[in-house]
Amino acid sequence: DADVTQTPRNRITKTGKRIMLECSQTKGHDRMYWYRQDPGLGLRLIYYSFDVKDINKGEISDGYSVSRQAQAKFSLSLESAIPNQTALYFCATSEPRGLAKNIQYFGAGTRLSVL
Amino acid sequence: DQQVKQNSPSLSVQEGRISILNCDYTNSMFDYFLWYKKYPAEGPTFLISISSIKDKNEDGRFTVFLNKSAKHLSLHIVPSQPGDSAVYFCAAIGGGSNYKLTFGKGTLLTVNP
Repeated sequence: DADVTQTPRNRITKTGKRIMLECSQTKGHDRMYWYRQDPGLGLRLIYYSFDVKDINKGEISDGYSVSRQAQAKFSLSLESAIPNQTALYFCATSEPRGLAKNIQYFGAGTRLSVL
Repeated sequence: DQQVKQNSPSLSVQEGRISILNCDYTNSMFDYFLWYKKYPAEGPTFLISISSIKDKNEDGRFTVFLNKSAKHLSLHIVPSQPGDSAVYFCAAIGGGSNYKLTFGKGTLLTVNP
């Protein structure tokens, strides 16, 4: 089983719909992240969380919200989806910096299309 | 402003030869660099990293070189194998952040049999 699991893997939705992408991890990491990748671009950080009570905006948080339901679960919501949110979304986890090489571990991604 | 740049969108090499992927950065406060590999329909997977206090790190067929004065790093794959065909992302951390990975746009490596 994957250490970082994202559901759904693919989703097609319509403009204006609310949608939630879910992420769960079995690595026991405290830190979790949501990124999006657009064609020809690198990954950009949407939100991150250092523990259950800690939520922070990344560089492109407008139009998104998150919920950290437990150490192992971190969900990303689009309250009212718009076409330019069509992208590949990745969840990632890591240990606190200084403990283990700053490595982030990624899920397989969710491909979202907003029509 | 893009702080991590991978100026070659693609690279094609023959099996058995060396692959060299390049990455430049602008933020002199970055202190740790990572390379990730990504296959289609999968998430990025960590490949190799290097701290700014070193100039070389080697792991099997993969070696990363860091030239701090030039703000340049490179990933060498020797010998290249068809299974190495993937998108390679360079990423950096630091510059006042202890969590944020700044990614380049990626380089698609194709290793031809």
